[in-house]
Amino acid sequence: QVQLVESGGGLVKPGGSLRLSCGASGFMFGDYCMSWIRQAPGKGLEWVSYINTGGTIMYYADSVKGRFTISRDNAKNSLFLQMDRLRAEDTAVYYCAGTGILLPPDNWFDPWGHGTLVTVSS
Amino acid sequence: DIQMTQSPSSLSTSVGDRVTITCRPSQSISRYLNWYQHKPGKAPKLLIYAASSLQSGVPSRFSGSGYETDFTLTISNLQPEDFATYYCQQSYSTPYTFGQGTKLEIK
Repeated sequence: QVQLVESGGGLVKPGGSLRLSCGASGFMFGDYCMSWIRQAPGKGLEWVSYINTGGTIMYYADSVKGRFTISRDNAKNSLFLQMDRLRAEDTAVYYCAGTGILLPPDNWFDPWGHGTLVTVSS
Repeated sequence: DIQMTQSPSSLSTSVGDRVTITCRPSQSISRYLNWYQHKPGKAPKLLIYAASSLQSGVPSRFSGSGYETDFTLTISNLQPEDFATYYCQQSYSTPYTFGQGTKLEIK
């Protein structure tokens, strides 16, 4: 069964750090590009970051560039998001998602995890 | 950045209805447009990729069409499980961007 399970969310103060993890099973994780996508309370979906299969190419939304770092460990079927200098506006449910086996732009988000909630508040 | 304009933002509909949702990117994106269904507390689900390809396992009442700057998602014979929020998303260039969502509500 194809599955992505996020963990590491929680309550953190502004300026603090958090590291999200996403464990994959049921598919060839190493063959898939991966992304993080978030949804702030009452808002729509916002793409956050992308990483290619080898972990050598990363892209970020302007809103997180310089503060967030995406990485992966293919041997452990895991995706990570290191989030530093967190702000209140980073409060959201964070989803990890497969981003296809083809090169951009022929990619889409599938599968998705159920998300982990990050709350940034003093 | 490519802005994605979805309409309508919400729609009150009934079981059995035919629904059309429109997505218009701010520039041409060829066929690089995907559609997702999202229910509260659940993982979003890919419905349509590359404008018109139906994802495996998705019912055939869902269909997508369009090219460049004008795309539509059509749901025929709306079922109770289809009441959700729908998003379009472009993969033409980063930052990948989503439409603001269309919430289908029961009339």
